[in-house]
Amino acid sequence: KQEVTQIPAALSVPEGENLVLNCSFTDSAIYNLQWFRQDPGKGLTSLLLIQSSQREQTSGRLNASLDKSSGRSTLYIAASQPGDSATYLCAVEGGSEKLVFGKGTKLTVNP
Amino acid sequence: EAGVAQSPRYKIIEKRQSVAFWCNPISGHATLYWYQQILGQGPKLLIQFQNNGVVDDSQLPKDRFSAERLKGVDSTLKIQPAKLEDSAVYLCASRGGTGRTGELFFGEGSRLTVL
Repeated sequence: KQEVTQIPAALSVPEGENLVLNCSFTDSAIYNLQWFRQDPGKGLTSLLLIQSSQREQTSGRLNASLDKSSGRSTLYIAASQPGDSATYLCAVEGGSEKLVFGKGTKLTVNP
Repeated sequence: EAGVAQSPRYKIIEKRQSVAFWCNPISGHATLYWYQQILGQGPKLLIQFQNNGVVDDSQLPKDRFSAERLKGVDSTLKIQPAKLEDSAVYLCASRGGTGRTGELFFGEGSRLTVL
């Protein structure tokens, strides 16, 4: 059974800092990994999707890497801004197109 | 492009009552998911549809939860009777394309409080 763990559970940083969020998964037989953002009281917004054959994806100030063999992914946020404050969720997709989510990392960027 | 629509946004009921949630996916998206997100947890898949057929409902508590997707478009998730532990946000998501190449698009969710 796939399990996804995200560390840390919460993170508070000053504005402008570069930061890394971590995601690990127990079963390396995945098809892809997605990072999502969730604002309070809102649904999830997809940030980056990495196929299993890829090593990383970039979108603006975000960069996500995937090391399938070690069961790890990182989300790098450059030059953080208060608007980046949200919960970031990692999800891996295995068979049957089913996504398994971690519990998320709650990020607070202080002005 | 319109997003995934869900209603109602909020619902408060007493235990043993029933409730229904509605989802309208992005036009043309064949795959539709219902997730349950308990406070402080990641979303957990309840049921997945491909068009109007069920692909995975292994984590759906079938004694009290039911879902349907008639005509392969809109979907309804029903809980009857509700329990206190059903208090959660119910998220609907849809996906276009084929296979596993597409992103999932989520609605804003329906927040259920069971008293």
